[in-house]
Amino acid sequence: DSGVTQTPKHLITATGQRVTLRCSPRSGDLSVYWYQQSLDQGLQFLIQYYNGEERAKGNILERFSAQQFPDLHSELNLSSLELGDSALYFCASSVGGNGGERQFFGPGTRLTVL
Amino acid sequence: KNEVEQSPQNLTAQEGEFITINCSYSVGISALHWLQQHPGGGIVSLFMLSSGKKKHGRLIATINIQEKHSSLHITASHPRDSAVYICAVRSYNTDKLIFGTGTRLQVFP
Repeated sequence: DSGVTQTPKHLITATGQRVTLRCSPRSGDLSVYWYQQSLDQGLQFLIQYYNGEERAKGNILERFSAQQFPDLHSELNLSSLELGDSALYFCASSVGGNGGERQFFGPGTRLTVL
Repeated sequence: KNEVEQSPQNLTAQEGEFITINCSYSVGISALHWLQQHPGGGIVSLFMLSSGKKKHGRLIATINIQEKHSSLHITASHPRDSAVYICAVRSYNTDKLIFGTGTRLQVFP
């Protein structure tokens, strides 16, 4: 158990809908990272937050947004969902914000868009 | 060409064999990560390197910054090492994390 929790574990929804994925980092970790893993594209970095502020941005679509709250949990919002958004979404946390620390991964949320 | 290349893509070994997985990258980096993903999907961070060499149990990771190359070695491999091993680098300029496509390792008894 990494200490990082993600909810929900599974999510099935329809095209055009909006969903929110939630991540709680390990106690004491200030950074949260979001990743997408699809069958055809492998793991992709979406975005990093550090202590409530956006720290680094990857290949995150404009339909997706994220935030980190004062209690350090984070939410990833996916809107106007398309079939191609079906993927495993992981979050990870680390102590610092410069990417130079080991990251601890949550179990992932499997999103299926029908 | 991908910014992070791993080789081999697939690797089969007999229990007890010494295994090497390679990662080459083309961008300036501030850190390199080795990750392990088991068939169930869970991801574990094995190492974070910015220079030199790290060892944890039967796993050894090395990085050569000048040659932009890292290796992950597994000594005395075991069937429970069967997993996908993924190399990821943090770009020095953009702070983006860039992933390799992974190496699928199967260790047979």
